Amino acid sequence: KAGVTQTPRYLIKTRGQQVTLSCSPISGHRSVSWYQQTPGQGLQFLFEYFSETQRNKGNFPGRFSGRQFSNSRSEMNVSTLELGDSALYLCASKLGHNEQFFGPGTRLTVL
Amino acid sequence: AQSVTQLGSHVSVSEGALVLLRCNYSSSVPPYLFWYVQYPNQGLQLLLKYTTGATLVKGINGFEAEFKKSETSFHLTKPSAHMSDAAEYFCAVSRQRDDKIIFGKGTRLHILP
Repeated sequence: KAGVTQTPRYLIKTRGQQVTLSCSPISGHRSVSWYQQTPGQGLQFLFEYFSETQRNKGNFPGRFSGRQFSNSRSEMNVSTLELGDSALYLCASKLGHNEQFFGPGTRLTVL
Repeated sequence: AQSVTQLGSHVSVSEGALVLLRCNYSSSVPPYLFWYVQYPNQGLQLLLKYTTGATLVKGINGFEAEFKKSETSFHLTKPSAHMSDAAEYFCAVSRQRDDKIIFGKGTRLHILP
């Protein structure tokens, strides 16, 4: 069974641009969570989607948004990029109440 | 609010020595506790988790952790370190099984030959 896949793996953007990251969960998993990982702040929870609905949300500004499609694939969007948005963005999926499986991440660099 | 504190951002141990990574948590309700490992350029992998029941939890790769409610701790141990254990380790907590998971800042484990 294929693992969680994230595309693209690396991305370079400039300040003010917007970006969309994609996550394909493990087949059958309906929950997808997103995290931001930076050296200074560590791993921070962005949001979780379950059956196309946002179930949990972290403390990030409205520039960070997400959505989930009927096939459970999820996207997150960051608008008006800032230098501080440079980070590794991790996606995780899970089946029911079981453990989360993480993808390899998308490394975003904002110049 | 929940929080996790990992003592020591870097820990070095000799190959074959005991590994001890410290984690203390804060939670207003009985917590679910986790340890994850992250190898370079990879996502996180679950090592072990505590939900209810036995307080000594055994995980993969020879790791185990003990939930101590009185000390609000969930320290990770391994009797004998191996070079392949070099990675970053994250302790995490959630209030219940569907709640968001709060991660600690991580501890990078270095194994000395």
